Amino acid sequence: GNSVTQMEGPVTLSEEAFLTINCTYTATGYPSLFWYVQYPGEGLQLLLKATKADDKGSNKGFEATYRKETTSFHLEKGSVQVSDSAVYFCALSRSGGSNYKLTFGKGTLLTVNP
Amino acid sequence: DAGVIQSPRHEVTEMGQEVTLRCKPISGHNSLFWYRQTMMRGLELLIYFNNNVPIDDSGMPEDRFSAKMPNASFSTLKIQPSEPRDSAVYFCASSFRQTQETQYFGPGTRLLVL
Repeated sequence: GNSVTQMEGPVTLSEEAFLTINCTYTATGYPSLFWYVQYPGEGLQLLLKATKADDKGSNKGFEATYRKETTSFHLEKGSVQVSDSAVYFCALSRSGGSNYKLTFGKGTLLTVNP
Repeated sequence: DAGVIQSPRHEVTEMGQEVTLRCKPISGHNSLFWYRQTMMRGLELLIYFNNNVPIDDSGMPEDRFSAKMPNASFSTLKIQPSEPRDSAVYFCASSFRQTQETQYFGPGTRLLVL
């Protein structure tokens, strides 16, 4: 079946540090890939997405490239801010007739210190 | 434009009591999802509606859980009777189309069953 594996946290960084959160997936067909972010006390928000191989999703300084050869979708940001502290979820949507279903990773807690 | 609205935001109840969680999706969205989030199991899809019709309830844990969507602007998730292991954050999400479309999450209902 479909699955998403992301690096376990927590991740603690200083402001302006470089961020990488690894995500790999297992899926049949050609899924779309997503990163969602959950700020404390809130629901998940879409951060970025990519729908086909080699696509790069980007938003708010975050980037992730859909790598089919390595089945990966790693999240990166060149310079994190305190306001980026949140839980980050990698997810995929199943291709084919049931595209609705998102499969989420366990989430990675990021804490950015000033 | 209002996002997904959930109520109540917090619920504390005693084991055996009935709990009803409510959700108002974004106007115009025709897909609605109920998720449960716990530390142990992460984010789990419970049930999915399309055009008010339940499409997949395979994630509903047991018969104590039921969900309805009487119209396009309202859905409920009911637990009867509730048990301590039902304690979790329950999210509702909606999307415009089921195929590879962004899901918009509500703020969640934090449920504690004593």
